[in-house]
Amino acid sequence: QKEVEQNSGPLSVPEGAIASLNCTYSDRGSQSFFWYRQYSGKSPELIMSIYSNGDKEDGRFTAQLNKASQYVSLLIRDSQPSDSATYLCAVRNYGQNFVFGPGTRLSVLP
Amino acid sequence: DAGVIQSPRHEVTEMGQEVTLRCKPISGHNSLFWYRQTMMRGLELLIYFNNNVPIDDSGMPEDRFSAKMPNASFSTLKIQPSEPRDSAVYFCASRTGTGRISTEAFFGQGTRLTVV
Repeated sequence: QKEVEQNSGPLSVPEGAIASLNCTYSDRGSQSFFWYRQYSGKSPELIMSIYSNGDKEDGRFTAQLNKASQYVSLLIRDSQPSDSATYLCAVRNYGQNFVFGPGTRLSVLP
Repeated sequence: DAGVIQSPRHEVTEMGQEVTLRCKPISGHNSLFWYRQTMMRGLELLIYFNNNVPIDDSGMPEDRFSAKMPNASFSTLKIQPSEPRDSAVYFCASRTGTGRISTEAFFGQGTRLTVV
């Protein structure tokens, strides 16, 4: 079992819809969770970080964490074509390094 | 702040040659990571330094790869000899903070390595 898993996609949603991206992780001791966005040919950039169970909202983005289920999600409301990118889930594990999932490719259709 | 700076941005080299990738982390950051990204394997952690000391190098694929961090503002990743399967984008990232809660890792622009 990989440490961090995501659906590879592509996930296609129409413009204005809600995009839902999911991530599961294997290390129960993980404490810090991050969502990165990566445009083609660019480096990953941070979208959201979350450390406690529940929801965390920032503009159109909401991160959700459920440590009991070892599950992290990212919701993007009012999706825009500019949101089309690969979304990487990252988990800081017991070894204090960052482990990334394979990423989910999101396509927002105009 | 200039962010994490990597050089070169692109490198094309012949199989068997030595390749050195360079990274300057964000000033004040005490952790540095080297990642490799390919379509097939995604973003893989190669090695992680904390306070200039290598903490976890279990991701370094083989002895051809080596990494150093002689001081807090500079790190190198060396491949000798290089092989075509080493072709990938290599990212350097840094962060600050210790303990149970971490700040995010900030990425450099990456070095696209092509070994022919």
